[in-house]
Amino acid sequence: ETGVTQTPRHLVMGMTNKKSLKCEQHLGHNAMYWYKQSAKKPLELMFVYNFKEQTENNSVPSRFSPECPNSSHLFLHLHTLQPEDSALYLCASSQDLASRETQYFGPGTRLLVL
Amino acid sequence: SQKIEQNSEALNIQEGKTATLTCNYTNYSPAYLQWYRQDPGRGPVFLLLIRENEKEKRKERLKVTFDTTLKQSLFHITASQPADSATYLCALEVNQAGTALIFGKGTTLSVSS
Repeated sequence: ETGVTQTPRHLVMGMTNKKSLKCEQHLGHNAMYWYKQSAKKPLELMFVYNFKEQTENNSVPSRFSPECPNSSHLFLHLHTLQPEDSALYLCASSQDLASRETQYFGPGTRLLVL
Repeated sequence: SQKIEQNSEALNIQEGKTATLTCNYTNYSPAYLQWYRQDPGRGPVFLLLIRENEKEKRKERLKVTFDTTLKQSLFHITASQPADSATYLCALEVNQAGTALIFGKGTTLSVSS
């Protein structure tokens, strides 16, 4: 285990649903990241938080809404998603942005949008 | 356009042989390059990082080279084992002012006994 947990591991939702993905890290890190991994595509960085402040939004549609209440927890709120949003959503953490070179990933949430 | 390519989508080798995976990039000047391993249903796990001023780095049976002139990194697994079967991702740090790690699509290695 990497010290980064994600729940749920699998999620099926309709396009009108609202759901949230949760990430928790037990490493004492201060930077957290959301990535999207679609089949046959590279990992895409979505959001970055450093000391609870969002430092990067990589042109992500507003139907994805991140929240970072503290350095240990990161959420991704989902609403009115599209089928093309089906993917593996990965959370990662690093000591801080200066130490971003070593990121620890969670197991991911496999999302299917119907 | 800027891109990072891992030349082979899949690589099949026999146990005991050396696996060599390639990562090429264009239009970047990365400060460092990383290799990750990803097993099915799991997140990537960091393996090695090599900086732009380093030519080679080793860790147990793993060896990474970094040629900034050729814009290429090679990742070697010597004495490969079936347990080495996984997808291997390379990633570049491309924005020193930000956080961007750009990942390749990965190469899926299968080691048969």
